[in-house]
Amino acid sequence: DIVMTQTPLSLSVTPGQPASISCKSSQSLLHSDGKTYLYWYLQKPGQPPQLLIYEVSNRFSGVSDRFSGSGSGTDFTLKISRVEAEDVGVYYCMQSIRLPLTFGQGTRLEIK
Amino acid sequence: QVQLQESGPGLVKPSETLSLTCTVSGGSISSYYWSWIRQPPGKGLEWIGYSYYSGSTHYNPSLKSRVTISIDTSKNQFSLKLSSVTAADTAVYYCARTVQLGLDPWGQGTLVTVSS
Repeated sequence: DIVMTQTPLSLSVTPGQPASISCKSSQSLLHSDGKTYLYWYLQKPGQPPQLLIYEVSNRFSGVSDRFSGSGSGTDFTLKISRVEAEDVGVYYCMQSIRLPLTFGQGTRLEIK
Repeated sequence: QVQLQESGPGLVKPSETLSLTCTVSGGSISSYYWSWIRQPPGKGLEWIGYSYYSGSTHYNPSLKSRVTISIDTSKNQFSLKLSSVTAADTAVYYCARTVQLGLDPWGQGTLVTVSS
């Protein structure tokens, strides 16, 4: 299985400040079709995960442009330009280049 | 807009079979892959497996010997069966559509507790 490792596991951010989460995969997520199958999800308290970013850097429909994804190969980053109260929750990265689909451990974001 | 809703018993006895159904509304189940994912209380996400609408399946090797996912296109539903459950199978179980863009949408999830 591809192991996804997120850091940090938790962060506390002042509203209006930026935040960054790292995700590293144990194997390259670059497919021969040229796409990189790395996704970011946010699970708000008491809710199912919701898709934020697909294929490293593409914001899903309706996702704020405060969220951006970057990276390549095995190293990826999710950035929030200005954290807002509604961003609280657990962020997960996920790979789908190889079955089984696997997730990172999650990064809990709280507001200071 | 496609919506998913899980249903099934919230309590299952050890060694018995957990059975859940996911009902798809607002769109056809015919196309796409349909996944089950679970989340033990306070823990992370584990993909259980998926089924294509045609019936072909792929399961997580960690659960493969105990899992069956099936699709009923006539009812726009897909189902999960997990046999020989133990307390370690206590979790919130989610269903989700699996697309090139990822897993979206997800159902609200249903908590299944394994206890005698």
